[in-house]
Amino acid sequence: GAVVSQHPSRVICKSGTSVKIECRSLDFQATTMFWYRQFPKQSLMLMATSNEGSKATYEQGVEKDKFLINHASLTLSTLTVTSAHPEDSSFYICSAWDRDKDRYGYTFGSGTRLTVV
Amino acid sequence: QQPVQSPQAVILREGEDAVINCSSSKALYSVHWYRQKHGEAPVFLMILLKGGEQKGHDKISASFNEKKQQSSLYLTASQLSYSGTYFCGTEIIATGGFKTIFGAGTRLFVKA
Repeated sequence: GAVVSQHPSRVICKSGTSVKIECRSLDFQATTMFWYRQFPKQSLMLMATSNEGSKATYEQGVEKDKFLINHASLTLSTLTVTSAHPEDSSFYICSAWDRDKDRYGYTFGSGTRLTVV
Repeated sequence: QQPVQSPQAVILREGEDAVINCSSSKALYSVHWYRQKHGEAPVFLMILLKGGEQKGHDKISASFNEKKQQSSLYLTASQLSYSGTYFCGTEIIATGGFKTIFGAGTRLFVKA
């Protein structure tokens, strides 16, 4: 089945620094990837839709300049949390679909737990 | 915009059945169901596209009422491995393509 590789799985950074999270589709091309944020015991909140070769579409309330998304190739999307603050600490997870999403749904990366200290 | 899931939590004994409901205020293209274990990524269970569609594998099945914009997930003869948080994802047509919005989740705990 389709595999989405996400790393790092865990990262601790100092307040004010930037962190980059990568999401790669293995053995399939993902023209679209989604980035979600999940707080403990809460739902997956869609942050943005990442489209290869074009600007990402951000959800209402998500700061574009803070959460930079780049989808430079059909197999890689990156999310950079800029000038991170403790309130940015969360579980970030990406998803994509392989071939026919109407049959196989979305495949999620393993997630990145970000802790800002 | 977020679909409403109910119940919020369920505790079952092994072998018992459960139903998880999901309803949306928006017209839906499809409904997805996922299960997430603590600290792990969500795992795809099934997708329903057409109004009135029903699907199932093993002892987990689901239905989708397109008119009512509702879906239900049925877990029968529950097993310990069914424990986790179940999310419905409602897929809608958005600018530039599709996007999926997830419900708040239903925490299911199956005990021996």
